[in-house]
Amino acid sequence: GENVEQHPSTLSVQEGDSAVIKCTYSDSASNYFPWYKQELGKRPQLIIDIRSNVGEKKDQRIAVTLNKTAKHFSLHITETQPEDSAVYFCAARGPLSGGYNKLIFGAGTRLAVHP
Amino acid sequence: DAGVIQSPRHEVTEMGQEVTLRCKPISGHDYLFWYRQTMMRGLELLIYFNNNVPIDDSGMPEDRFSAKMPNASFSTLKIQPSEPRDSAVYFCASRAGGSTDTQYFGPGTRLTVL
Repeated sequence: GENVEQHPSTLSVQEGDSAVIKCTYSDSASNYFPWYKQELGKRPQLIIDIRSNVGEKKDQRIAVTLNKTAKHFSLHITETQPEDSAVYFCAARGPLSGGYNKLIFGAGTRLAVHP
Repeated sequence: DAGVIQSPRHEVTEMGQEVTLRCKPISGHDYLFWYRQTMMRGLELLIYFNNNVPIDDSGMPEDRFSAKMPNASFSTLKIQPSEPRDSAVYFCASRAGGSTDTQYFGPGTRLTVL
């Protein structure tokens, strides 16, 4: 089955710096890679996702890159702000057309942005 | 849209008691997922339903856990008897059918078993 590894487990940056979180997956059939942000005591919320037919996707200060050959994908946050402080989870899933419905989550990265 | 609704938001019970967690998915969503989140094990998928039918319950930890979805707008996760190691946050999530990828989480139920 699919296995997703996420690094680092904790990340501390100064406000305005960039933050990068990396994930690797094991199943070459995986084709959907979402990133969720979870603030303390709140639910995980989708912030960006990417499908395997593209290599990069951006949304304002957030970007995700995907390397299918190496089976890894990364979240990039630029110009970090204190409100970016949260736990970030990556996930992977195979094609819906192939009957894949389960998201396999990484262990999470606790990001702290210091003013 | 109200999003995924879960109740109760907090539950404190004593070991051995029955616990029932409830979930109302987003209207029109065909898939419903139950997750458990702990510091040690992260986000674990327990079971998921498609059109009210349980598809994969391989994540259910043991026979003390059971889940039902009697109709498209309601699901329950029951623990009987509860144990202290069941203490966790339980999330329900739903997703539309077809080619829609996005999964939406509910606010969660924080369960404490004393």
